[in-house]
Amino acid sequence: ETGVTQTPRHLVMGMTNKKSLKCEQHLGHNAMYWYKQSAKKPLELMFVYSLEERVENNSVPSRFSPECPNSSHLFLHLHTLQPEDSALYLCASSPRTYDNSPLHFGNGTRLTVT
Amino acid sequence: AQKVTQAQTEISVVEKEDVTLDCVYETRDTTYYLFWYKQPPSGELVFLIRRNSFDEQNEISGRYSWNFQKSTSSFNFTITASQVVDSAVYFCALTLSGNTPLVFGKGTRLSVIA
Repeated sequence: ETGVTQTPRHLVMGMTNKKSLKCEQHLGHNAMYWYKQSAKKPLELMFVYSLEERVENNSVPSRFSPECPNSSHLFLHLHTLQPEDSALYLCASSPRTYDNSPLHFGNGTRLTVT
Repeated sequence: AQKVTQAQTEISVVEKEDVTLDCVYETRDTTYYLFWYKQPPSGELVFLIRRNSFDEQNEISGRYSWNFQKSTSSFNFTITASQVVDSAVYFCALTLSGNTPLVFGKGTRLSVIA
């Protein structure tokens, strides 16, 4: 199995829908991250979790709601999104938060908000 | 604040040509770590190399080589004899020692044409 798995790969949702993105890591890491990748912008760090505890929220709108039930799973719950939220959402993990070791990324979920 | 600049937005080369991707970073700290990641069309960012600020030795790995120069705050990446499979977006990133997130450049899209 790949180290970090994200589902679904593609998601199209209307602005009034509620959906969730899922991330699972099989690397035994304690830290997990959500990144947003929009066209022509640097990767934006959204949330960071360490051992299921949120350690960083980078001023992300409340329409994005993360959940980390255990150190292997991370969710991003979405509701009443805007078209500008269309992007590639990437999950990553590392042994510990900000420990200078390389991040391991999933394939991402390509989100389109109509 | 830390910053990473990848001035080349897109590069197109013919197969077997050599290509260099530029990365310039800014930080006032003396201890930091630099990374390169590759993002193929499948979406996931793949770790290529990490270099700490105290190790200025250039590194070669197969057709890949990295030139780290603190005097110019640059960490450039060269692909020798490029191949179509090298087509991807390449990201340079920087983090400090301690509890700081990874800062990414905007990426350089490399297209290798057969």
